[in-house]
Amino acid sequence: GDSVTQTEGLVTLTEGLPVMLNCTYQTIYSNPFLFWYVQHLNESPRLLLKSFTDNKRTEHQGFHATLHKSSSSFHLQKSSAQLSDSALYYCALGATGGNNKLTFGQGTVLSVIP
Amino acid sequence: AQTIHQWPVAEIKAVGSPLSLGCTIKGKSSPNLYWYWQATGGTLQQLFYSITVGQVESVVQLNLSASRPKDDQFILSTEKLLLSHSGFYLCAWSSDWGVYAEQFFGPGTRLTVL
Repeated sequence: GDSVTQTEGLVTLTEGLPVMLNCTYQTIYSNPFLFWYVQHLNESPRLLLKSFTDNKRTEHQGFHATLHKSSSSFHLQKSSAQLSDSALYYCALGATGGNNKLTFGQGTVLSVIP
Repeated sequence: AQTIHQWPVAEIKAVGSPLSLGCTIKGKSSPNLYWYWQATGGTLQQLFYSITVGQVESVVQLNLSASRPKDDQFILSTEKLLLSHSGFYLCAWSSDWGVYAEQFFGPGTRLTVL
């Protein structure tokens, strides 16, 4: 079945440094849809950005990601971390099997410190 | 604007007891509805989805059931709780059907099974 791997459970960064959260996926479908959801403390997850176009950069709220089908990756990046970026980040894979199923990775906690 | 409400906010239940969690979406007709489970320290796992009243599809079997008695209401239930049912239950909705549709999550219900 589909799977999503986020290799880092916790990333701790100093404010102002660049952010990169890794996401790789496995699917049998040739046209996957990839998402990043962010969940701040005591809040619900909300969509940060999404993509289904190969090699096209997607940006939102200072974050960006590029879907690379050749390497099955969808890493999340930001040029300069802010304290308010501290949250749990989920990478998710959409399957086209007809059930709107989203497969989530284990999540990466980003902790930005002063 | 659409609002999503979940009840109760939190529950502490005994193993073997019944459970009923609810979700209501206001301001959106015929939403697609979803139930997710988030184990403590774990990832988000889609449990059920519903496209229309009276129709619910199961994604993962966890000895739970779901129903959609009204267009704006989604119920998650079981007759016998297990310890493994503990966690955070999230209801979500989307306006479009299709794996690329953005899903909007509710505030969640924290369930502790003792």
